[in-house]
Amino acid sequence: DTAVSQTPKYLVTQMGNDKSIKCEQNLGHDTMYWYKQDSKKFLKIMFSYNNKELIINETVPNRFSPKSPDKAHLNLHINSLELGDSAVYFCASSQEGPFYEQYFGPGTRLTVT
Amino acid sequence: AQKVTQAQTEISVVEKEDVTLDCVYETRDTTYYLFWYKQPPSGELVFLIRRNSFDEQNEISGRYSWNFQKSTSSFNFTITASQVVDSAVYFCALRETSGSRLTFGEGTQLTVNP
Repeated sequence: DTAVSQTPKYLVTQMGNDKSIKCEQNLGHDTMYWYKQDSKKFLKIMFSYNNKELIINETVPNRFSPKSPDKAHLNLHINSLELGDSAVYFCASSQEGPFYEQYFGPGTRLTVT
Repeated sequence: AQKVTQAQTEISVVEKEDVTLDCVYETRDTTYYLFWYKQPPSGELVFLIRRNSFDEQNEISGRYSWNFQKSTSSFNFTITASQVVDSAVYFCALRETSGSRLTFGEGTQLTVNP
């Protein structure tokens, strides 16, 4: 009965490859997010979707493309992976509105070699 | 623009000591929300507390307490009688009513030694 799940937990791949990370939440939340945590532990929002509609799109390279097939899922596809993409990627979800806390998935550690 | 500063990069204490983690924020909004999250060595992010800008009442939950002072734009977190299991990275975060972003501070690595 995991609230926010991500797959895979670890992803090791070579430069230039395309990869996807999947996220699912069973909390009934309307809003989902993708964050990137770099090697210094700094957490930064990448994208946010509300009811399948993109509401935040930070200045990330357009090699990163989120897709929300329904409000319980938010996947992240990355094209032409680069060394600098190595990080931990967290999916999160919350009820709609700034008051509500976000619940995070376990993270996906992406290593690009 | 909103900003959160956690000036303490790393703190190391001995078990049973009290420790305070500082958080200072900047915002132009009059209504906003502050959060603390914990990231233990296992890596997951765990929600600890939420506070809205209208509620300056301090909160205590077991060994944890939070001191929100609007006058100094601070939302500090104190752990009383620290335990080894408290070792983690702690993040303070801010979300404005006018925006959708949750902005995190840089985090404070707390190490509690036995």
